[in-house]
Amino acid sequence: GQQLNQSPQSMFIQEGEDVSMNCTSSSIFNTWLWYKQDPGEGPVLLIALYKAGELTSNGRLTAQFGITRKDSFLNISASIPSDVGIYFCAGLPNTGNQFYFGTGTSLTVIP
Amino acid sequence: DSGVTQTPKHLITATGQRVTLRCSPRSGDLSVYWYQQSLDQGLQFLIQYYNGEERAKGNILERFSAQQFPDLHSELNLSSLELGDSALYFCASSESLYNEQFFGPGTRLTVL
Repeated sequence: GQQLNQSPQSMFIQEGEDVSMNCTSSSIFNTWLWYKQDPGEGPVLLIALYKAGELTSNGRLTAQFGITRKDSFLNISASIPSDVGIYFCAGLPNTGNQFYFGTGTSLTVIP
Repeated sequence: DSGVTQTPKHLITATGQRVTLRCSPRSGDLSVYWYQQSLDQGLQFLIQYYNGEERAKGNILERFSAQQFPDLHSELNLSSLELGDSALYFCASSESLYNEQFFGPGTRLTVL
């Protein structure tokens, strides 16, 4: 099946710092989704991307659909304690019929 | 609140038993997905239904089965349970086949 490589695996940052994480695949994707999951709860959709090069913001979060269609990036600006959680990317391959999820980036924000 | 509901929230059972997890999608969504998430692990896709029909299958064990009913709610049946089946089980729904998915709060299954 498809492999989505998400990095970094974990991040420990100071409150107020900016955060960047990315997701890469070996094949072309049509759609990229970014989710945040708090412990014991369901993932919450943050941003959806549908076109190569697309840049979409949701408050302090910005995500981009890579122009090669094989990667996507999520940036969080001016992090706050409630940003703590696990961030997952998900992608739909152009030849596939299911979404594939990355392994997650665990974010810890130190006040 | 995503609009996706799952019951029960918690389930504790013994090895060898059978359980049924239930999911109601968001109003208007035709597609339902089931995922398994073991402790500190990522999301493992199990199965997808669209308007009552199975559309995609992931790493779903033969002991597990699912269906989507005419009212679009879905059930995931887990049988001959083993300790390793203990996990969070999430249901997600989407408007059609390839839209963004919205997740329910999950069912935490503990097999003793």
